[in-house]
Amino acid sequence: SQTIHQWPATLVQPVGSPLSLECTVEGTSNPNLYWYRQAAGRGLQLLFYSVGIGQISSEVPQNLSASRPQDRQFILSSKKLLLSDSGFYLCAWSGGRETQYFGPGTRLLVL
Amino acid sequence: AQSVTQLGSHVSVSEGALVLLRCNYSSSVPPYLFWYVQYPNQGLQLLLKYTTGATLVKGINGFEAEFKKSETSFHLTKPSAHMSDAAEYFCAVSHSGGSNYKLTFGKGTLLTVNP
Repeated sequence: SQTIHQWPATLVQPVGSPLSLECTVEGTSNPNLYWYRQAAGRGLQLLFYSVGIGQISSEVPQNLSASRPQDRQFILSSKKLLLSDSGFYLCAWSGGRETQYFGPGTRLLVL
Repeated sequence: AQSVTQLGSHVSVSEGALVLLRCNYSSSVPPYLFWYVQYPNQGLQLLLKYTTGATLVKGINGFEAEFKKSETSFHLTKPSAHMSDAAEYFCAVSHSGGSNYKLTFGKGTLLTVNP
């Protein structure tokens, strides 16, 4: 069966510091991968998605970037964090069809 | 463009009472519709989905939802609430964009179950 991992689970970072969040999927190949951010009262916002290695689509202009160095690895990064980057970050995968499956999430607090 | 409206950001029911969470969508093409549940500090878990076929779909934990095209609705119901149902529920809509399906979420409904 397929599983999706995210780490770290929780992160507290100062403003201006770099960021790297990692997501990996097991038990499937060539998944579509997604990064979402969840802010209180605002639902989920799609940040990036990828349909293959090195293929990244950005949905919202922002301070973040994404990379997919391997088939089942998706990384969310920032060179300099802003206060507004705080939130709950969720990674999801799909098998090229309509249903997305979510990881456990990373809670980021920027101080 | 597609959108989702969840009526009521907070719903409170008594244990054993009917749960009804409302979702209306807007989509220019036949939609795929989903309900996800999120427990505190966890990811989203798929409750149920509608793609094609039978408009009444059953999911996990005794939940079901009915796709009503004429009303552009996909309301979530459960006959009898349990304390463990307390969580946040998200309705979502997607359609095919080639090899990628993009989900658009509602803002969520927090369900509280009172003893």
